[in-house]
Amino acid sequence: EPEVTQTPSHQVTQMGQEVILRCVPISNHLYFYWYRQILGQKVEFLVSFYNNEISEKSEIFDDQFSVERPDGSNFTLKIRSTKLEDSAMYFCASNREGSSPLHFGNGTRLTVT
Amino acid sequence: ELKVEQNPLFLSMQEEKNYTIYCNYSTTSDRLYWYRQDPGKSLESLFVLLSNGAVKQEGRLMASLDTKARLSTLHITAAVHDLSATYFCAVDTVTSGTYKYIFGTGTRLKVLA
Repeated sequence: EPEVTQTPSHQVTQMGQEVILRCVPISNHLYFYWYRQILGQKVEFLVSFYNNEISEKSEIFDDQFSVERPDGSNFTLKIRSTKLEDSAMYFCASNREGSSPLHFGNGTRLTVT
Repeated sequence: ELKVEQNPLFLSMQEEKNYTIYCNYSTTSDRLYWYRQDPGKSLESLFVLLSNGAVKQEGRLMASLDTKARLSTLHITAAVHDLSATYFCAVDTVTSGTYKYIFGTGTRLKVLA
């Protein structure tokens, strides 16, 4: 069964550094999302992406965050200047059409020191 | 702003007992999803409920949706240890053709042998 893949599985970075989290959504999916989860708590929506542009973003997704689909397969989340509070598990998800279940990747655990 | 709340947040139950997890949401939606998350793992789709009165069952889990009450339930019958996990409900909203999935607070279930 096709899967959403995320790399790296764990990223450690120093405060103020830039990080890029990578995702390869399922190939025939059209809608892409980033979520984050702090310490196994609530799953928080960050951003949705469709047709090569951001569809919606949350209050968390401020100017420090950006997303990109640089080619036909990758979907990336960039954090320009990381803060301690950015430490979380970041999940990428995709679906073929709206109003269908999200397929999640295994997540990237980001640790900011 | 759509709010999705679950209760209880934590549930410790004996094997072979029955229990129900509740998911309330604050805005009109006909679509609700249930996910399971094992510790340190990704989210796995369990059920998709797409209309008022929808009921889905898989093994010892049964989910239902009442859109008028803005309430979904996840009923556990004769719990077994393998059901120990965190369960999330999620509601999707559509704004000008863009989709956003908001997750509930999660219910951490522990089934005691």
